[in-house]
Amino acid sequence: AQTVTQSQPEMSVQEAETVTLSCTYDTSESDYYLFWYKQPPSRQMILVIRQEAYKQQNATENRFSVNFQKAAKSFSLKISDSQLGDAAMYFCAYILQGGSEKLVFGKGTKLTVNP
Amino acid sequence: NAGVTQTPKFRVLKTGQSMTLLCAQDMNHEYMYWYRQDPGMGLRLIHYSVGEGTTAKGEVPDGYNVSRLKKQNFLLGLESAAPSQTSVYFCASRWRTYTGELFFGEGSRLTVL
Repeated sequence: AQTVTQSQPEMSVQEAETVTLSCTYDTSESDYYLFWYKQPPSRQMILVIRQEAYKQQNATENRFSVNFQKAAKSFSLKISDSQLGDAAMYFCAYILQGGSEKLVFGKGTKLTVNP
Repeated sequence: NAGVTQTPKFRVLKTGQSMTLLCAQDMNHEYMYWYRQDPGMGLRLIHYSVGEGTTAKGEVPDGYNVSRLKKQNFLLGLESAAPSQTSVYFCASRWRTYTGELFFGEGSRLTVL
């Protein structure tokens, strides 16, 4: 079965510090996309960052970056210069490229940002 | 551009009542999904559709039915609500050929007493 594991149910970070959220996944396929979604208290799911599995270069979006280790099936999210607005649930997810319908989600990591 | 719109946003039902959640998207997406979100469980796929007139079961389909009569709409029905169906429901959609990114609605909180 294709699965996504987020081993940290909760994390906390001090404002302006850096935090890394872990994600591992299990698939036998070689072509897929990986995502991190953010869900603030408003409930709206917001795409934070996307990574194509065929790209070796790690994706970055402003203060958000990933460490993609394809062989290890690891896809961690690093948040630099954490802000109070970063407090949210973060979900890791992946979808197979081409022909697959379903996005598989992890169970989420709740991030608290302390002032 | 409204994106993905879910109605209603909140609903309280009694056990055994029926209801329908409506999802509408204006992005001409082929694929549409219904997820439920429960504490500690992440998002679990209920049903999905890969095009108008098609539906398929996801991970937790029991107790739910869906219909996709129009490309832009995806309906989720509960024929006889149970307390175990108390949850937050999310609709999402995406293009068939692209990077796979899902666009989500704002969620609908359903409470079954």
